[in-house]
Amino acid sequence: QVQLVESGGGVVQPGRSLRLSCVDSGFTFSSQPMHWVRQLPDKKLEWVAVISYSGGTTYYADSVRGRFTISRDNSKSTLYLQMDSLRAEDTAVYYCVRDLKAENWFDSWGQGTLVTVSS
Amino acid sequence: EIVMTQSPATLSVSPGERATLSCRASQSVRYNLAWYQQKLGQAPRLLIYGASTRATGVPAGFSGSGSGTEFTLTISSLQSEDVAVYYCQQYNNWPPTFGGGTKVEIK
Repeated sequence: QVQLVESGGGVVQPGRSLRLSCVDSGFTFSSQPMHWVRQLPDKKLEWVAVISYSGGTTYYADSVRGRFTISRDNSKSTLYLQMDSLRAEDTAVYYCVRDLKAENWFDSWGQGTLVTVSS
Repeated sequence: EIVMTQSPATLSVSPGERATLSCRASQSVRYNLAWYQQKLGQAPRLLIYGASTRATGVPAGFSGSGSGTEFTLTISSLQSEDVAVYYCQQYNNWPPTFGGGTKVEIK
């Protein structure tokens, strides 16, 4: 059974950095691509980034490219999102999600971690 | 990027009645559409992928249909536990994009 648990959210000033983590307590973490999806304060869902199962390939939304970095450590079943140069519009709940079939739909979601960017 | 539009924004349905939710894509996404349910205070949960395939553990009362640009999620007999916001998502084109959601409530 997949269980994804995010951590690392909090309140941060604009321009500062934050790193999110997501631990998968299941047994198949290294076999699937993983994504970050965020939910904005108006409840809209926005895809953020994806990483291949090996970690060798990554893609980003235009809104975060160059500022965010997705990575994974398969030996620790852990997904990361390094967020630099944070802006107020990055305020959201960030979800770690699994992509079971590598088709970019999301079969398992973490509980989410709230990131608030405010001075 | 493909814009997904859901209607109505809010749907009020009597218990036991059918609920029909719509999702429209700005261009064809073939059958590459998923539906998610998000209850208050919870993460989204996958209901449907491939436009009509129910995810593991999803009750048979939930069904998806459509292709191209027009899709429908049907809840055959609304129960109190179905109160939630429902989102559609296309994965045919990059980047994956979501609709704005339909809130389903009990009348």
